[in-house]
Amino acid sequence: DAMVIQNPRYQVTQFGKPVTLSCSQTLNHNVMYWYQQKSSQAPKLLFHYYDKDFNNEADTPDNFQSRRPNTSFCFLDIRSPGLGDAAMYLCATTRGAELFFGSGTQLSVL
Amino acid sequence: QQPVQSPQAVILREGEDAVINCSSSKALYSVHWYRQKHGEAPVFLMILLKGGEQKGHDKISASFNEKKQQSSLYLTASQLSYSGTYFCGTELYGNKLVFGAGTILRVKS
Repeated sequence: DAMVIQNPRYQVTQFGKPVTLSCSQTLNHNVMYWYQQKSSQAPKLLFHYYDKDFNNEADTPDNFQSRRPNTSFCFLDIRSPGLGDAAMYLCATTRGAELFFGSGTQLSVL
Repeated sequence: QQPVQSPQAVILREGEDAVINCSSSKALYSVHWYRQKHGEAPVFLMILLKGGEQKGHDKISASFNEKKQQSSLYLTASQLSYSGTYFCGTELYGNKLVFGAGTILRVKS
C-alpha cells in the first residue's frame, strides 16, 4: 500500500543540539513537502521539492535545512533547535489531487 | 494569504448538522478540505476546483463559490467519528497549499 513513512514518531532533543527528521515515500512522486505544525495551529509549509528542485518558503528560518538524496527519501535538519521549534513536523507528497501526509514526528526541545 | 475559517469551534450533538466556512482574499485555483484527529496527521476529505461544483463524501459535502472566493463544508447528521479539527487549504498556484487556522468540531453523544 502506498505510504509516507516518518521516523521517528517522537523525537526529544536538547536546546541547540542538531536533529534530523526523516521521511520516505513509496509513491515514487517527485513532489515532497515539509510542514511544521505547532500546537493548535495550522500546518505551515517550510519547504517543498519538485524532483530535485528545492523551494524554500520566504519565512522559513535559516536554522532549518532539507536534503533529498533521491526520489524516495527526504530529510529535515534543524541545526540549532530552540524551544520555539517544538512542534509536529509533517512530511507529505501528492496522491492524485490529494496532499498525502505521513504520520508526523513530534519534536520536543528540552 | 492564509484563508479565514469560521467558526473557530463548534459543539454538536450526534445527528445535528454543521457548516464550516473558508474564505480567501485571493483568487483561488482550488480548495481542499482535511480533517485532523488529535496527535494524528491531517486526512484528505475532498478537493473542489474552479467551477462552483459541489462534492460529497458520505454525509460530508462541500461547495466552492469561485466568484466570492469562498468554500463551505457541510456535515449532516453528524457522528461521533466526525470530531476533530477541520482545515481548509487554498491553492494559489502549483501544488502549494496554504491552510486556514482550523475549526474544532466536537460531536457529543
